[in-house]
Amino acid sequence: AQSVTQLGSHVSVSEGALVLLRCNYSSSVPPYLFWYVQYPNQGLQLLLKYTSAATLVKGINGFEAEFKKSETSFHLTKPSAHMSDAAEYFCAVSAPTGGGNKLTFGTGTQLKVEL
Amino acid sequence: ETGVTQSPTHLIKTRGQQVTLRCSSQSGHNTVSWYQQALGQGPQFIFQYYREEENGRGNFPPRFSGLQFPNYSSELNVNALELDDSALYLCASSGDSTYNEQFFGPGTRLTVL
Repeated sequence: AQSVTQLGSHVSVSEGALVLLRCNYSSSVPPYLFWYVQYPNQGLQLLLKYTSAATLVKGINGFEAEFKKSETSFHLTKPSAHMSDAAEYFCAVSAPTGGGNKLTFGTGTQLKVEL
Repeated sequence: ETGVTQSPTHLIKTRGQQVTLRCSSQSGHNTVSWYQQALGQGPQFIFQYYREEENGRGNFPPRFSGLQFPNYSSELNVNALELDDSALYLCASSGDSTYNEQFFGPGTRLTVL
């Protein structure tokens, strides 16, 4: 069964500092991995996805993530945090279910950006 | 291209009642998935529909049921509501993508009193 673990339910950074949100996955097959962002009282917006084409994936809003098979990790980074990045971030892995696929999410990391 | 829409935005019900939530998929998408997100948790997969047939189900009881219509809109029905059903219900649509990229609606916030 596929699963993801997000280390750190809350992360706080200063504006302009590096953002690092951690995600480790478990999968019996080559995984498809995703990062989603959720702003208060909103749905989920896709930041980026890993589909085995390249290990370094660039997404929207300056975020990127690197797939490391040896470490079973898919950490999300951004070189310089902005106040607008404050939100909850979810890592997810695509897993087969019946004839289709479902997303299995981590528990989320709340990112706080301080002045 | 329109995105995924959901209605209503908010809903308050009492324990034991029944509720229907609605979702309109993104144009051209033939697969819809429903997720339940309890407060402070990640979304949990309820079920998925593909071309009007259930295509996978998570660990939810039968009182959670769904429908998908020929125009790819869908419904989530919950019978005999319990207090623990209070959550944000998210609908996501996807097309014939190998990568299962799912596009989420804004959700329906259900409160059960």
